[in-house]
Amino acid sequence: GAVVSQHPSWVICKSGTSVKIECRSLDFQATTMFWYRQFPKQSLMLMATSNEGSKATYEQGVEKDKFLINHASLTLSTLTVTSAHPEDSSFYICSARPTSDEQYFGPGTRLTVT
Amino acid sequence: QKEVEQDPGPLSVPEGAIVSLNCTYSNSAFQYFMWYRQYSRKGPELLMYTYSSGNKEDGRFTAQVDKSSKYISLFIRDSQPSDSATYLCAMSRAGTALIFGKGTTLSVSS
Repeated sequence: GAVVSQHPSWVICKSGTSVKIECRSLDFQATTMFWYRQFPKQSLMLMATSNEGSKATYEQGVEKDKFLINHASLTLSTLTVTSAHPEDSSFYICSARPTSDEQYFGPGTRLTVT
Repeated sequence: QKEVEQDPGPLSVPEGAIVSLNCTYSNSAFQYFMWYRQYSRKGPELLMYTYSSGNKEDGRFTAQVDKSSKYISLFIRDSQPSDSATYLCAMSRAGTALIFGKGTTLSVSS
């Protein structure tokens, strides 16, 4: 149990285009999902907290107009990177919380912007 | 001082060794403590979860939390080459996002 999927697992896009990443909790409902970014050999950096049916809460320094988050259902959250640039290339990981404490992570999405 | 401190290593041990991984923290309000394992280019996998103080054992893994010292540990017995990965400690207050350590890279040689 407690499986989280992400799609796509790897995406390459051209500078200036937008990319959407999906995060799904497959066998549980998650009122809260989180989006993280991870650069090589670094730890996870929390980008935003997403609650179903409400606006996401962004961490300081994360541009909400660039990283659009939608949490339309209890099993799906999406992250859209708008007008992507090479510096947005990173490993994006979502997590979902079935209870008030445990978090389960997706396999991650590797974004490369050329 | 960062909220969660974790020695990044790298840590290299021979197969069969006992591994000790540690984190310290500064926020006494943390109640939930977790250890994740992350292989290269993969999402973190939840290994151990502990609420408040105490020990928890699962197979070759033992997690310890000492809230009085603000110190948590993960012990791996009979380490295997397949245990080679980055281990991340994480902690939170109720209902809040996890705060992660930087991760310790472990290499177990056969």
